[in-house]
Amino acid sequence: EVHLLESGGGLVQPGGSLRLSCAASGFSFRSYAMTWVRQAPGKGLEWVSGINSYGDTYYTESVKGRFTIARDSPKNTLFLQLNSLRAEDTAIYYCAKNFGDDFYYYYLDVWGRGTTVTVSS
Amino acid sequence: EVVMTQSPATLSVSPGERATLYCRTSQSVSSNLAWYQQKPGQAPRLLIYGASTRATGFPDRFSGSGFGTEFTLTISSLQSEDFAVYYCQQYNYWPPWTFGQGTKVEIK
Repeated sequence: EVHLLESGGGLVQPGGSLRLSCAASGFSFRSYAMTWVRQAPGKGLEWVSGINSYGDTYYTESVKGRFTIARDSPKNTLFLQLNSLRAEDTAIYYCAKNFGDDFYYYYLDVWGRGTTVTVSS
Repeated sequence: EVVMTQSPATLSVSPGERATLYCRTSQSVSSNLAWYQQKPGQAPRLLIYGASTRATGFPDRFSGSGFGTEFTLTISSLQSEDFAVYYCQQYNYWPPWTFGQGTKVEIK
């Protein structure tokens, strides 16, 4: 069974950092693009960052220079490093598997349950 | 950036009735559009991709249609488990990949 499990969320002060992890199982992790999507409290879905199977990356404008996506394929794990956190970064962060290996056909066919990031003093 | 507009924001429907949800994009995305279902406290789940192909596990009362800038998600006869928020997402232009703001389908 394909499974994604996020971890690493928590309460952090503005300006602080967190590292989110997503452990993947049940599929050939190295062969698929992966994505982070977030959802602020009571709000809709927002694409945050994506990485293809070749290691190319994209970020939404509001997190560029602050967040870094990475993957460790031998360990079947996706990461999101969150630096210089702001109150508006408060959200549930979901890890999701893309349909394909690259940025084409970019729909998300498997989602984790999410990890909550709260930025507050 | 492709702007996604979903309507209505909330749809009140009685069980057994038909529900029609709309998604409009600010520029043509061909058929590169997906729909997701999200129930309270749960992660989203892929429902439709390629504008009209149903994902694994969803019954045929769910159908998607459209091309270009106008898309529709239809639930032919609402069941209790279908009450949820539905999001559309385009994947024709990037970055960013963009979602609509969601339509909440609630019990009338």
